[in-house]
This record gives sequence, structure tokens and C-alpha cells, in this order.
Amino acid sequence: QKEVEQDPGPLSVPEGAIVSLNCTYSNSAFQYFMWYRQYSRKGPELLMYTYSSGNKEDGRFTAQVDKSSKYISLFIRDSQPSDSATYLCAMSGQLTFGSGTQLTVLP
Amino acid sequence: DARVTQTPRDKVTEMGQEVTMRCQPILGHNTVFWYRQTMMQGLELLAYFRNRAPLDDSGMPKDRFSAEMPDATLATLKIQPSEPRDSAVYFCASARGAQGWDTEAFFGQGTRLTVV
Repeated sequence: QKEVEQDPGPLSVPEGAIVSLNCTYSNSAFQYFMWYRQYSRKGPELLMYTYSSGNKEDGRFTAQVDKSSKYISLFIRDSQPSDSATYLCAMSGQLTFGSGTQLTVLP
Repeated sequence: DARVTQTPRDKVTEMGQEVTMRCQPILGHNTVFWYRQTMMQGLELLAYFRNRAPLDDSGMPKDRFSAEMPDATLATLKIQPSEPRDSAVYFCASARGAQGWDTEAFFGQGTRLTVV
């Protein structure tokens, strides 16, 4: 079993929809939780990070962490075609990644 | 505009040949990661360095892979001999790590390796 499991997708939604992306993890030692976005043929880029349980909001994006359940989520409000990418959750200490969820937002 | 630079961008080689991938981390970053990305396995950590010292290379097949940091501006990943199953995109990332873990790793554009 992998330390980080991510819903594989792919996920296809209409423009304006709310998107929910999820990961679970097994290692209680993970302290930082991150979401990276990767466009086709590019390297991943950090989208959001959080340390504690709870919600963190940045514009249309909200990262949610529940340490008791070992579950993290990324919500995208008012999704746009430009949000179409692969989203990867990641966790420290060694920056362990989930397998990624490919998202397509249809205009 | 600080960025991680990887060379080459694309590499096609024959099975059995040696492959060397290079990475120039962002100036001032002291943590360097090597990842391999495939459709089946996703993004796998191969090795990472802090202050040029290898901290963990347990994800790397030791018999054919080697990673080094000859100096603070260059990290290399070598495969010898290469095999078709090594075909993947290899990413280098750097971070400004201090004690514990820093929050953001910056990725290069990757080296797309095809072994035929």
C-alpha cells in the first residue's frame, strides 16, 4: 500500500462547477500538506500548502486537512478551462506525492 | 527569473547505453530532489540531497542508477546500462531547506527519456 493514495480520475466537469480532489495518507509523521498543479509537459508547481488541520483559502481554491482521518482535499470553486491540469497532493518530510488526478474543465 | 534547469529536455537512447541527466538548482537552494514520473507509478522519489549530501536514495535502483552533486550548482542522475523500463520523465526539484522541511519545491521542466 502506498503512503499516499489519491483518487485517480480522470475528472471532467463543466465550466463553473465546484471540483473536489482528495487524498488519504497512512504516515502520521507527515506534517506539511501540499497541492501541486501540473500542466501537460511541464513540471509540477506548488498551488497551496498547509500545516494544520482545518481549511486554508486562496482565491477560488480551498485546501482542507483532517489529520484525525488522514484525509486532505482541494476544492476549486467556479472552475475555469485554464484549471485543466493534473493535480497532485504531496506531503512532507520527503515530499511524497500522490499519483495525481487529471482534471478537465469543459467550456 | 529563478528556475531549475534540466538538460537534456528529451533523450532517446538504445538499451544498454549510458544516460546522464543534469540539473541546475535555483541559486541558494540547498535541497535537491530527483523524481521519475510514469503513467503507471506517478511521481516517484528516487533520491534527494541536502547541502550536497545524499539523504535518501532508497527509491533508486542501485545496480544501474547513481545520483551525485559534484558542486552546489549541479546535480546529475546517471543510468548505466539503460533499459526500456527506464523510459519516463525525470524531474529535478530544488528547495531552500533548513532544519526540518521547507514548504516549496521548485521543479524543472523534466527530461523525457525513451530507451528503445
